[in-house]
Amino acid sequence: QKEVEQNSGPLSVPEGAIASLNCTYSDRVSQSFFWYRQYSGKSPELIMSIYSNGDKEDGRFTAQLNKASQYVSLLIRDSQPSDSATYLCAVKGAGGSYIPTFGRGTSLIVHP
Amino acid sequence: GAGVSQTPSNKVTEKGKYVELRCDPISGHTALYWYRQSLGQGPEFLIYFQGTGAADDSGLPNDRFFAVRPEGSVSTLKIQRTERGDSAVYLCASTSRDRVPYEQYFGPGTRLTVT
Repeated sequence: QKEVEQNSGPLSVPEGAIASLNCTYSDRVSQSFFWYRQYSGKSPELIMSIYSNGDKEDGRFTAQLNKASQYVSLLIRDSQPSDSATYLCAVKGAGGSYIPTFGRGTSLIVHP
Repeated sequence: GAGVSQTPSNKVTEKGKYVELRCDPISGHTALYWYRQSLGQGPEFLIYFQGTGAADDSGLPNDRFFAVRPEGSVSTLKIQRTERGDSAVYLCASTSRDRVPYEQYFGPGTRLTVT
């Protein structure tokens, strides 16, 4: 049973701070990792993907992957109230598996 | 270009009725996924199509659920004899395996309420 674990939160940070969202996964051979943002009442929106160990930066977002420790994180710099949403981590296994497993998401609240 | 579209956006039905949910993927995306999402949970995989065929239907909860994609584009999720426990948001996603692999793009979802 492949599992993807996220703290449901809510994680509350002040405007301008760095928000750090974490995700751990159980399938050691997972190869592809994704972060989605989901506003209340809306569908998930892809914001980052990462495939190799290390950091990947895109604007205010940085995804970090550590396969040895089986965790992936998302950092949001200069957090804005508009970043308030649920962030979903998704993990895809190796080889012929085309089905990602989603975590339950972490609720982020950025307060002015 | 146009994103993934789903219809209807909301569906209220009585227990025991039959419903159909439609998904129109991004043009050119060969892979299509159906998920179900309950409040406070992540999307739960139901079925995956590659082209016209169901490549993996292991997530369908029981034989009341069925999905088709006859021409490799639009897909319909069909639920027979609906139960109150089927109430959820049904999400469709499509992806292209030709460019950046496996990044999924979701439609707006259909909120199904079974009364």
